Amino acid sequence: KAGVTQTPRYLIKTRGQQVTLSCSPISGHRSVSWYQQTPGQGLQFLFEYFSETQRNKGNFPGRFSGRQFSNSRSEMNVSTLELGDSALYLCASGDSYGYTFGSGTRLTVV
Amino acid sequence: QKEVEQNSGPLSVPEGAIASLNCTYSDRGSQSFFWYRQYSGKSPELIMFIYSNGDKEDGRFTAQLNKASQYVSLLIRDSQPSDSATYLCAVKKNNFNKFYFGSGTKLNVKP
Repeated sequence: KAGVTQTPRYLIKTRGQQVTLSCSPISGHRSVSWYQQTPGQGLQFLFEYFSETQRNKGNFPGRFSGRQFSNSRSEMNVSTLELGDSALYLCASGDSYGYTFGSGTRLTVV
Repeated sequence: QKEVEQNSGPLSVPEGAIASLNCTYSDRGSQSFFWYRQYSGKSPELIMFIYSNGDKEDGRFTAQLNKASQYVSLLIRDSQPSDSATYLCAVKKNNFNKFYFGSGTKLNVKP
């Protein structure tokens, strides 16, 4: 059974640009969540999608957005990038028994 | 107050010893509790979850939950150097898949 697939693995962007990250969940999982991980803040919840609807949202500015498609694949978009957005972005799919995380996208903003 | 608190460590134990990792949570209504392991440069992987008060064992790992004290722990028996990683405690409050993570405890198992 394939795991959670995130693309790309690494990204370098310039301040002010925007970026789109992609996540394909485990087959059959309808819930996809996104997290930001930084050394200082740890794992912080961005949002969760379930059957194409955003069910939960964390405390991030509106520059962070996402969507989920009918095949459960999800994308996350960050507009007007700031240096502080440099982080590991993790996507996870799962159910009540826990998440399975993808390998993450390492975003560096310069 | 943070939702989930963990001692950042590092916690150092000799090979073969029992490692004890602790976590407290603030919301008494929290429903389920998870332990993840994260190796440096890798994504977190689920070790085990627990819902009910008491102990749950899986191989060398035992999760312990005390809802009255709002306390979760993970015991690793016969610790191995390969167990050296950061252990993340996560709490789920309701039926939605929103997990609150602690900042993690770094475990070093010395050969």
